[in-house]
Amino acid sequence: QVQLVESGGGVVQPGRSLSLSCAASGFTFRAYAMHWVRQTPGKGLEWVAAISYDGSSEFYADSVKGRFTISRDNSRNTLYLQMKSLRAEDSAVYYCARDDAIIIVPIAGGIDYWGQGTLVTASS
Amino acid sequence: EIVLTQSPATLSLSPGERATLSCRASQSVSSFLAWYQQKPGQAPRLLIYDTSNRATGIPARFSGTGSGTDFTLTIGSLEPEDFAVYYCQQRYKWPLTFGQGTKLDIK
Repeated sequence: QVQLVESGGGVVQPGRSLSLSCAASGFTFRAYAMHWVRQTPGKGLEWVAAISYDGSSEFYADSVKGRFTISRDNSRNTLYLQMKSLRAEDSAVYYCARDDAIIIVPIAGGIDYWGQGTLVTASS
Repeated sequence: EIVLTQSPATLSLSPGERATLSCRASQSVSSFLAWYQQKPGQAPRLLIYDTSNRATGIPARFSGTGSGTDFTLTIGSLEPEDFAVYYCQQRYKWPLTFGQGTKLDIK
């Protein structure tokens, strides 16, 4: 069965960096585009970043562009999110998620599998 | 970016009733709209993609309609497990965006 397991969350001071990982299993990772989506506790969903199946294309929300980098290692079935210059407003649960389509806009389909999330808190 | 506005923010209904949730886009997204359900403490689950297609394993009581800027998710007859938060997402243009959610709670 498809499994997505995030790790790397924690408490970090504003302005510092943090890296998240997502270990994928139960499917052919290299064939699927992937996303990071975040959610502030008690609030709504915010799409953060996406990467194509082969890592050749990356897309970002304006709120994180220039500070966050999404990447993947298809040989390790792992997705990453490198976060720099963290702000208090970046505090959230970060979900790793799989897309069921090739992410060329407009994108048919949906985000069909999600991990359980990892909590990032940027606070002094 | 495309802003999605969901209404109402909260919908209070009883099991067996019909639920109608709305999602309005600030510009046309054609038919590239998805709906997700999220229960407390859980990750979101894909319900509907491309406006009207049910995802794998989603019961037939869930249906989606619309095009352009106005979309509707309908739950035909509410089951106890349907009380949750529902989000729409546009997949027409980068950056992808979600609506702010509609909370469906038990009356």
